[in-house]
Amino acid sequence: GENVEQHPSTLSVQEGDSAVIKCTYSDSASNYFPWYKQELGKGPQLIIDIRSNVGEKKDQRIAVTLNKTAKHFSLHITETQPEDSAVYFCAADAGGTSYGKLTFGQGTILTVHP
Amino acid sequence: DAGITQSPRHKVTETGTPVTLRCHQTENHRYMYWYRQDPGHGLRLIHYSYGVKDTDKGEVSDGYSVSRSKTEDFLLTLESATSSQTSVYFCAISESGGGETQYFGPGTRLLVL
Repeated sequence: GENVEQHPSTLSVQEGDSAVIKCTYSDSASNYFPWYKQELGKGPQLIIDIRSNVGEKKDQRIAVTLNKTAKHFSLHITETQPEDSAVYFCAADAGGTSYGKLTFGQGTILTVHP
Repeated sequence: DAGITQSPRHKVTETGTPVTLRCHQTENHRYMYWYRQDPGHGLRLIHYSYGVKDTDKGEVSDGYSVSRSKTEDFLLTLESATSSQTSVYFCAISESGGGETQYFGPGTRLLVL
């Protein structure tokens, strides 16, 4: 089955700096890669996603890049703010007729210091 | 939260006791999923449903069963709870499955003593 590795497990930055979280996946059939943000005591919330026919996608301060050849994708947050502090998860779908089954990375705890 | 509720939100139970968690949605989405979240493991898929009475196993299905008799409800049952099933359980829904956004509920925190 699919295996998703996420790094780093913790990331500490100063307000205004950029933050980068990286994920690798194993199943070449995967074609959907969402990123979720989880605040304390809440369920994960989608912040951005990318599909295999696109190499990069941007939404304001957040961007995601995908390299299908190398099987890795990354989340980039620019001009970080204290409210960006949360746990971030990457995920990859099973590809094909997968019924939307997602495999998640282990998560990254992002702390933005004012 | 996209019209998803989970009940109970917190539960403490004893080893060997059956436990049922409920996920209820008001979005009329076809797909529903149960995940568990444990430190160091991210979220892992337990079971999923692709329609009423249509369910299948996920990555960590041992010790769990599910049922979906109505579009809006997806039940997760621990037939005989064990301490290894202490976790936070999340339900998610998706309109059309593959390649579509999954919306998560608020979670149920379960402690098995």
